Amino acid sequence: AQSVTQLDSQVPVFEEAPVELRCNYSSSVSVYLFWYVQYPNQGLQLLLKYLSGSTLVKGINGFEAEFNKSQTSFHLRKPSVHISDTAEYFCAVSANFGNEKLTFGTGTRLTIIP
Amino acid sequence: NAGVTQTPKFRILKIGQSMTLQCTQDMNHNYMYWYRQDPGMGLKLIYYSVGAGITDKGEVPNGYNVSRSTTEDFPLRLELAAPSQTSVYFCASGDRGPNYGYTFGSGTRLTVV
Repeated sequence: AQSVTQLDSQVPVFEEAPVELRCNYSSSVSVYLFWYVQYPNQGLQLLLKYLSGSTLVKGINGFEAEFNKSQTSFHLRKPSVHISDTAEYFCAVSANFGNEKLTFGTGTRLTIIP
Repeated sequence: NAGVTQTPKFRILKIGQSMTLQCTQDMNHNYMYWYRQDPGMGLKLIYYSVGAGITDKGEVPNGYNVSRSTTEDFPLRLELAAPSQTSVYFCASGDRGPNYGYTFGSGTRLTVV
């Protein structure tokens, strides 16, 4: 089975500053990795995903993440945040074969300070 | 293209009542999922389905039931509502391959009193 740890439950950041949201995973098999964003009172929307290939993945809204197999991490980054980035961010993992389901982390609430 | 549609958006139930949360997708996805979201706990998988007629338990199935008679629909049934089932419920669908990734509905906020 897989598990995900999001180390920070809340991250406050000033507008236009860079941000990194941390995600570490545990798995005995190869994995797919995902970041989802949830805006207030909405469902989850896919930001980006790593399935294979380049370990640096670019997603929507200027976000990117890097898959680091040796450190079992998939941290999410943005060089300059905007007020509209205020949301909750979830990291998720699944095995890369068969019928494996997504396992989600507990989420990181990103608050942008004007 | 509606994606994943959940109804109702909000519901208040009394302890012991039953209800069905509806979920419909129009993307012809084989895989469908029900998650519940509780504050600070992330999303927990309740049930999932890999195709019509096939369902299986997730991490927290107790108190719930599902069925999958068509590719499009995946209703979640609560038979005897308990306060512990107060939560936000999300339905998702997806498929394998290079486009792998779930599409989520907008959620159902359920309160059991």
